[in-house]
Amino acid sequence: EVQLVESGGGLVQPGGSLRLSCTASGFIFSSYSMNWVRQAPGQGLDWVSYISYNRNTIYYADSVKGRFTISRDDAKNSLYLQMNSLRTEDTAVYYCARFDILTSNFDLWGQGTLVTVSS
Amino acid sequence: DIQMTQFPSSLSASFGDRVTITCRSSQIITHYLNWFQQKPGEAPRLLIHDVSNLQNGVPSRFSGSGSGTDFTLTINSLQPEDFATYYCQQSYSNPWTFGQGTRVEIK
Repeated sequence: EVQLVESGGGLVQPGGSLRLSCTASGFIFSSYSMNWVRQAPGQGLDWVSYISYNRNTIYYADSVKGRFTISRDDAKNSLYLQMNSLRTEDTAVYYCARFDILTSNFDLWGQGTLVTVSS
Repeated sequence: DIQMTQFPSSLSASFGDRVTITCRSSQIITHYLNWFQQKPGEAPRLLIHDVSNLQNGVPSRFSGSGSGTDFTLTINSLQPEDFATYYCQQSYSNPWTFGQGTRVEIK
């Protein structure tokens, strides 16, 4: 089955760190660029970060630049998001999403993992 | 950054109704416009890419149109499973941005 499964979410205090993982199955992970997209409670969707299939291109939203780091391990079919200096406004469900380069869209999403930043 | 504005923010409709959602971008995005559906507690699902191309498995009652800065999503003959929130998204330039969403509720 083609799917993405996120993990690593939880409760963390402001200023803390958390590492999210996304494991892919059912497709050739190394051929796809990947993204993280988040959704604050009751709010809309916000793109967070992108990594190309060959790691040559990485983008971050301004709101997370310098605090979050995206990476991937193709041998493990896994995508990661290292989140440091967390703020209360980072509280959200974090989704990993596959990027179809041909059509420039997020064509496959995981079920999401909840990150809560609170004291 | 390109701003995406959807309207209405919510609407009430009945089974069998035709529903139209509008999305406007703050600058020309040519054909780089996608639509997503999200049901409560679920991940978003890609419905339409590049303005009018239905993703595999999406019912033909969904359609998209538009160009430049103005785009629409139309749902013909609304079905029970269509009650959800719909988001437009531009993939013209990074950072990729989404509209604020349109919630389709049962009248």
